[in-house]
Amino acid sequence: KAGVTQTPRYLIKTRGQQVTLSCSPISGHRSVSWYQQTPGQGLQFLFEYFSETQRNKGNFPGRFSGRQFSNSRSEMNVSTLELGDSALYLCASSLSAGGSNSPLHFGNGTRLTVT
Amino acid sequence: AQTVTQSQPEMSVQEAETVTLSCTYDTSESDYYLFWYKQPPSRQMILVIRQEAYKQQNATENRFSVNFQKAAKSFSLKISDSQLGDAAMYFCAYRSPPGGSNYKLTFGKGTLLTVNP
Repeated sequence: KAGVTQTPRYLIKTRGQQVTLSCSPISGHRSVSWYQQTPGQGLQFLFEYFSETQRNKGNFPGRFSGRQFSNSRSEMNVSTLELGDSALYLCASSLSAGGSNSPLHFGNGTRLTVT
Repeated sequence: AQTVTQSQPEMSVQEAETVTLSCTYDTSESDYYLFWYKQPPSRQMILVIRQEAYKQQNATENRFSVNFQKAAKSFSLKISDSQLGDAAMYFCAYRSPPGGSNYKLTFGKGTLLTVNP
């Protein structure tokens, strides 16, 4: 079974631009979560989607948004990019949104660099 | 809000030896889940082991085991017979039970483990 796939792996953008990151979960997984990883702040939760509905959102500005499609694939969008948005963005999927029997499976991440 | 603290930014161990990584957490919840993830240079976060707070028995996965002390809010990871492939950043993580608004993984800052041949 294929793992969580994130595209692209690397991305370089300029301040003020917007960017869209893509995540394809493991087949059959309905929950997709996004995390931002930086050296200073560590891993921080962005949001979680389950069956196309946002279930939970972290403490990030409105420039960060996401969505989930009917096939459970998810996209994350960041508008008006700032230098501080440079980070590794990790996507994780799970079978359902509840219980430790639904551990998160992570992708390899998208490394975003904002210049 | 829950917090997770890993007090050891870096650790090193000799191949075949045993090493213990520390993790403490702060929560007012009685039911929750705890995890250890490893992140090698490939960047992919890999689940190492998990523990349900309601279970008193410590979880074990092959060479990996935990010492879960609920009253002390401590969740340490022991790696036995360390192998070169164990070298990675290790993250301790907390997750609230489902149904609440705080259902997410809260990570510690990580411990970088080096395995010396």
